[in-house]
Amino acid sequence: GAVVSQHPSWVICKSGTSVKIECRSLDFQATTMFWYRQFPKQSLMLMATSNEGSKATYEQGVEKDKFLINHASLTLSTLTVTSAHPEDSSFYICSARERGALSVSSTDTQYFGPGTRLTVL
Amino acid sequence: LAKTTQPISMDSYEGQEVNITCSHNNIATNDYITWYQQFPSQGPRFIIQGYKTKVTNEVASLFIPADRKSSTLSLPRVSLSDTAVYYCLVGDIGRGSTLGRLYFGRGTQLTVWP
Repeated sequence: GAVVSQHPSWVICKSGTSVKIECRSLDFQATTMFWYRQFPKQSLMLMATSNEGSKATYEQGVEKDKFLINHASLTLSTLTVTSAHPEDSSFYICSARERGALSVSSTDTQYFGPGTRLTVL
Repeated sequence: LAKTTQPISMDSYEGQEVNITCSHNNIATNDYITWYQQFPSQGPRFIIQGYKTKVTNEVASLFIPADRKSSTLSLPRVSLSDTAVYYCLVGDIGRGSTLGRLYFGRGTQLTVWP
C-alpha cells in the first residue's frame, strides 16, 4: 500500500528557533499534500493544502508566515515552523493524496505519515 | 462542508462485532465517506471508503443507506489491538477533484476489553 514518511519523528527546540519537517510519499507521486496539527486529546486540525509547484492554501486562522510550506517535488513537502514558541508544541501530521485509477468511479485516497512530535522549550 | 456526528466512545469485548455509526445529514452529491483509525502518537490509518451501498475489504465493511445521510463502519471480531480512535469523514475526493481536503471531527474512541 501507499507509504508516507515524515522526518524527524520528534524534535525538541528552543523558543525562537525554526524547525523543518519533511513529508515524503515513498511509492507514489502526490500532487497534493496536506498538513495537520493535533493537540493532546484532540482531533486533527487541517492547517494547509500543499500543491506541487504552487503556493500552499492555508486554512482560516493559520499564519502563513509562521508555517512555511514548500512542495518542491511530487514526493516531498516541507513544513517549517518559524520562530517557534511553546504554544506551537504539538503533533504535526502530513498526508499525501494518491491519484485513483483511470476510471470515473475511482477516488483519490489520502494516506497519512506517522507524525512529528514538536516540543518547544 | 458536511459535518459528521459520531458517538464519543464505545466499548466492546474481544471477538465481538462492532458497528460504529456516523451521521452526515448534509452530505453533498460529490462527497465520499472515508473512515480512518488512529492509535496514540501515530498518523491516521486508512480503513475503508465508499460512496453508496456496501463496501467490504479485508479489515472492515462500510454500509451506506440510499439517502447517504449516515454510514456504519463494521469491524468483525475485534481484538485488543483494535482499541483506537475511529474517524468518519466526508469530502469531495473523487478523481479529478481539485479539493480533497478532509476535516476531522472528534472521532469515536473504541475500547476493546479482554
